[in-house]
Amino acid sequence: DIQMTQSPSSLSASIGDRVTITCRASQTISSYLNWYQQKPGKAPKLLIYAASSLQSGVPSRFSGSGSGTDFTLTISSLQPEDFATYYCQQSYITAHFGQGTRLEIK
Amino acid sequence: QVQLQESGPGLVKPSETLSLTCTVSGGSVNSDSSYWSWIRRPPGKGLEWIGYIYYSGSTNYNPSLQSRVTISVDTSNNQFSLNLTSVTAADTAVYYCARDEVVTMVRGIVIKYMDVWGEGTTVTVSS
Repeated sequence: DIQMTQSPSSLSASIGDRVTITCRASQTISSYLNWYQQKPGKAPKLLIYAASSLQSGVPSRFSGSGSGTDFTLTISSLQPEDFATYYCQQSYITAHFGQGTRLEIK
Repeated sequence: QVQLQESGPGLVKPSETLSLTCTVSGGSVNSDSSYWSWIRRPPGKGLEWIGYIYYSGSTNYNPSLQSRVTISVDTSNNQFSLNLTSVTAADTAVYYCARDEVVTMVRGIVIKYMDVWGEGTTVTVSS
C-alpha cells in the first residue's frame, strides 16, 4: 500500500510570504497526486490535481510540482484566507491522504 | 451542478454497525466518469480515505478498514452508502462523501480527483 508523508506538519507564516509544503510517496506514483485545502468546520476543497494542474476557480498563487515520489505545493504570496490545513492525496492505487500540514499565522 | 449530502445516525453504540447514505443531486451515480468515495476525519487528526465505488459496483477499500467496510450504490435512488461494522470509539469522526472524478489528461494519463464533497456528518461512537 502507498503511504504519503507531508512536511512540515505545521508551519507559521506571515501575509505575503512564499510557502512550500512537501509531500513524499512511499513508492512512485507518476503524477497521480492531488492537493486539498481544509478550513475548520468545512469540507476539503480541491486545489491542484495531477500534481500541477490548477482546479478551476482556484487563485493562481497556488501551484504544484513534482512527479514520481516527491511533490510540492507552493503558495506564492500568502493571503489571510489561505490559513488552513493542506493535504496531499495519491490517486495511483487506493487514495490515501498525507497527514496534513497546518498553516498558521505568525 | 453536482451536490452531495450525507445522512445517518449521529450516535452509534460500540460493537454496532455505522450506516451512512450519500444522496447525489444535480448528477447521476450512473456516470461512467465518476467514482464515489467515503472519507473521514477523526477529532484532532487528518483525513482518512475509507473507500470508493463505481456505478458498476466495483469497489476499492482502505486495507486498514477492509474487513469492516462495505460501500454500495443504489442507482434507483441516486445514492451510495457506507456500512462500517464492529465500531469502536476510534471510529468517531466527521464522515464525508465525495465525487472522485475521472479525467483523461492531454498526455493520455487517466487521473482521479475529489472535486465535489458533502458538508460532512459527525458520528460519535459511545454507549
